[in-house]
Amino acid sequence: KQEVTQIPAALSVPEGENLVLNCSFTDSAIYNLQWFRQDPGKGLTSLLLIQSSQREQTSGRLNASLDKSSGRSTLYIAASQPGDSATYLCAVAGYSTLTFGKGTMLLVSP
Amino acid sequence: GAVVSQHPSWVICKSGTSVKIECRSLDFQATTMFWYRQFPKQSLMLMATSNEGSKATYEQGVEKDKFLINHASLTLSTLTVTSAHPEDSSFYICSAESRLASSTDTQYFGPGTRLTVL
Repeated sequence: KQEVTQIPAALSVPEGENLVLNCSFTDSAIYNLQWFRQDPGKGLTSLLLIQSSQREQTSGRLNASLDKSSGRSTLYIAASQPGDSATYLCAVAGYSTLTFGKGTMLLVSP
Repeated sequence: GAVVSQHPSWVICKSGTSVKIECRSLDFQATTMFWYRQFPKQSLMLMATSNEGSKATYEQGVEKDKFLINHASLTLSTLTVTSAHPEDSSFYICSAESRLASSTDTQYFGPGTRLTVL
């Protein structure tokens, strides 16, 4: 059974800092890995999707990497802004389901 | 494109009553819809997978008689929480998979429904 772990559980940084969120998974037989953002009481917003054959994906200030063999992914956020404050979820796609981590709660202070 | 809506966005009900949550794919046909539940500070947990026109497949530990799922059309799935109790209070999120998808990389998520059972 796939297990997804996200570290740290919470992170507080001042505005402008670059930061890295970590995601690890136990079963490397995956189709893809996705990073989501969730604002309090809201649904999910997909940020980046990395296929199993890819090493990284970039969108604006976000960069996600995938090392399938070691079961790890990182989400890099450059020049963080208060508007980046949210919970970031990592989800791993197996044959028919998505398995989510518990998320990292990010607070960026002005 | 690829918008999924949920209704209601939040609901408060009394213990023992039933609550229906709708999940609609607005601009695409979804052969498969998924229902997730999220408790505070916990990850999303898949409850069930529903395919249009057939019975839903429930995950282990999810009571199918308590959480009734109907996927009557390619754009609508409903989750009914029967005889709700306070421990059913949670955030329920649905997702829909595009009919043309061949893998799990096209799940589109709804905005979620906050259920509070008093």
